Amino acid sequence: QKEVEQNSGPLSVPEGAIASLNCTYSDRGSQSFFWYRQYSGKSPELIMFIYSNGDKEDGRFTAQLNKASQYVSLLIRDSQPSDSATYLCAVKSSGAGSYQLTFGKGTKLSVIP
Amino acid sequence: DGGITQSPKYLFRKEGQNVTLSCEQNLNHDAMYWYRQDPGQGLRLIYYSQIVNDFQKGDIAEGYSVSREKKESFPLTVTSAQKNPTAFYLCASSIFGSRNNEQFFGPGTRLTVL
Repeated sequence: QKEVEQNSGPLSVPEGAIASLNCTYSDRGSQSFFWYRQYSGKSPELIMFIYSNGDKEDGRFTAQLNKASQYVSLLIRDSQPSDSATYLCAVKSSGAGSYQLTFGKGTKLSVIP
Repeated sequence: DGGITQSPKYLFRKEGQNVTLSCEQNLNHDAMYWYRQDPGQGLRLIYYSQIVNDFQKGDIAEGYSVSREKKESFPLTVTSAQKNPTAFYLCASSIFGSRNNEQFFGPGTRLTVL
């Protein structure tokens, strides 16, 4: 059973701070890792993906991947109230079923003005 | 504008009734997916299709059926055999065979059983 684990939160950070969202996965052969943002009542929106160990930066967002530790994180710098949402971690596995993404349950982020 | 559309936005079903959720995309994506989301839960895969006239069951296919007669369209039928159909249904699409399989979602259909 492939699993993706996230702290459900809520994670509360003050406006302007760095929000750190974490995700662990069970399938060591996983290839690609995605972060989706989901506002309440809306569908998920892809904000970043990463497939190599290390950091990947896009504006205020940085994804970090450590395959040896089976750990992926998302940092949001200069957090804004508009970043308040649930963040879903998704993992693309290897081998049979590699078209599939396995999703975590999400971490709810609240940015306090 | 390119994108994925789902209709209706809200749907109410009576006990014992079949209902069909529409999903259309004009992104020229090969693969399409149906997920179900329950409160506080992750997305769970119902069905997926990699090419026209072919589809496979996901993790929770019981009580659901799909068709893929056109590349652009992937409708989902929730049958009376699905005992707990109240959920948020999300359709997604991706370029089949891409390295990362980035999936993009439609706006969703919220189904409620009366």
